[in-house]
Amino acid sequence: SQQGEEDPQALSIQEGENATMNCSYKTSINNLQWYRQNSGRGLVHLILIRSNEREKHSGRLRVTLDTSKKSSSLLITASRAADTASYFCATDGGAQKLVFGQGTRLTINP
Amino acid sequence: GAVVSQHPSWVICKSGTSVKIECRSLDFQATTMFWYRQFPKQSLMLMATSNEGSKATYEQGVEKDKFLINHASLTLSTLTVTSAHPEDSSFYICSARAQVFTEAFFGQGTRLTVV
Repeated sequence: SQQGEEDPQALSIQEGENATMNCSYKTSINNLQWYRQNSGRGLVHLILIRSNEREKHSGRLRVTLDTSKKSSSLLITASRAADTASYFCATDGGAQKLVFGQGTRLTINP
Repeated sequence: GAVVSQHPSWVICKSGTSVKIECRSLDFQATTMFWYRQFPKQSLMLMATSNEGSKATYEQGVEKDKFLINHASLTLSTLTVTSAHPEDSSFYICSARAQVFTEAFFGQGTRLTVV
């Protein structure tokens, strides 16, 4: 079962620009996580934000969480060609299982 | 980060045969392992959650007798696709984590093709 939805489904921007992806979910969560997947590979964990946190930073990544709206956003600043990948949010709640959103396919054009 | 090794990375099998996929946490003890299935350009669909020493919890719609999951130790879980058919062809990914409500580490995935 898929927990939520991400938008946009696909995003294409120029290198150096910022990329913003959004994630919405439906149930209560303990935390929300963002992952990256390069084509045909496994996923790499990017950042975890807990339900009592509103914003978190890691390098060029900035994640926000609004539990009242059940939504989160991932911002990648100063994008690079190597950031081209699919990005997924995953909710982690009472059932103690990670359920992924539909993902955003990000393309950075040089 | 921690390392999860998944083997094999790809496999081709004949219809009607069984295939076993292994998922190992190399440098940590995984109390929980997850198995996902992914279709091209789609998201990860959770198949089951397995805890060491207990039976796996399958998601609704996933056939337990077809997708056998064993989590025999804190570092190894296996997924066996029994009596495989072409519609079972897919990308299967495992992940593991040491504690609840923490980040999960993913294997590189197994591309299964049933002919």
